[in-house]
Amino acid sequence: DQQVKQNSPSLSVQEGRISILNCDYTNSMFDYFLWYKKYPAEGPTFLISISSIKDKNEDGRFTVFLNKSAKHLSLHIVPSQPGDSAVYFCAARSNDMRFGAGTRLTVKP
Amino acid sequence: DGGITQSPKYLFRKEGQNVTLSCEQNLNHDAMYWYRQDPGQGLRLIYYSQIVNDFQKGDIAEGYSVSREKKESFPLTVTSAQKNPTAFYLCASSISQQETQYFGPGTRLLVL
Repeated sequence: DQQVKQNSPSLSVQEGRISILNCDYTNSMFDYFLWYKKYPAEGPTFLISISSIKDKNEDGRFTVFLNKSAKHLSLHIVPSQPGDSAVYFCAARSNDMRFGAGTRLTVKP
Repeated sequence: DGGITQSPKYLFRKEGQNVTLSCEQNLNHDAMYWYRQDPGQGLRLIYYSQIVNDFQKGDIAEGYSVSREKKESFPLTVTSAQKNPTAFYLCASSISQQETQYFGPGTRLLVL
């Protein structure tokens, strides 16, 4: 039962351009959404979050957008840097936390 | 400095053997979690604990056991009943169950 889906397993962008990572969810009870970044052989690190009462949250180069009617979440990274290359997980919370399968972002110099 | 530590980084298990993965946090967090990551899949919850001496099964608890005797520690035992234990195991903690979770560096378990 995949309540949180990241349909793109990988994404490749050029340095300096925008990276857009997408996430869809099915459970309308989710009230808080998060993005985590993970490097190989390391634990995920928290990146940015958004409450369901908002539609946008920005932190430096990272912006998360929430479209509740579409049950869609996206993470924008601009400008993208080679150090952003990692796997990005979206997560959604109701009573517990549900994670997507991740999208591997590669930023090419 | 505060954080979550997991040990060992790599662990090898022989057939029929129980192994225990360590997770320690000095963040004073009440809630702790164990997840399993398999290639191409998201993180799946094994067990979680909201408070000392209490823990609940997650989605894939079969073949695993935990204890929470101290606030700082939440060890996970992979028993011989877990038929496919090879995976990357992640421990996390949060101030409470509804708060943002912070992860340890993970333990990769391999079966010999």
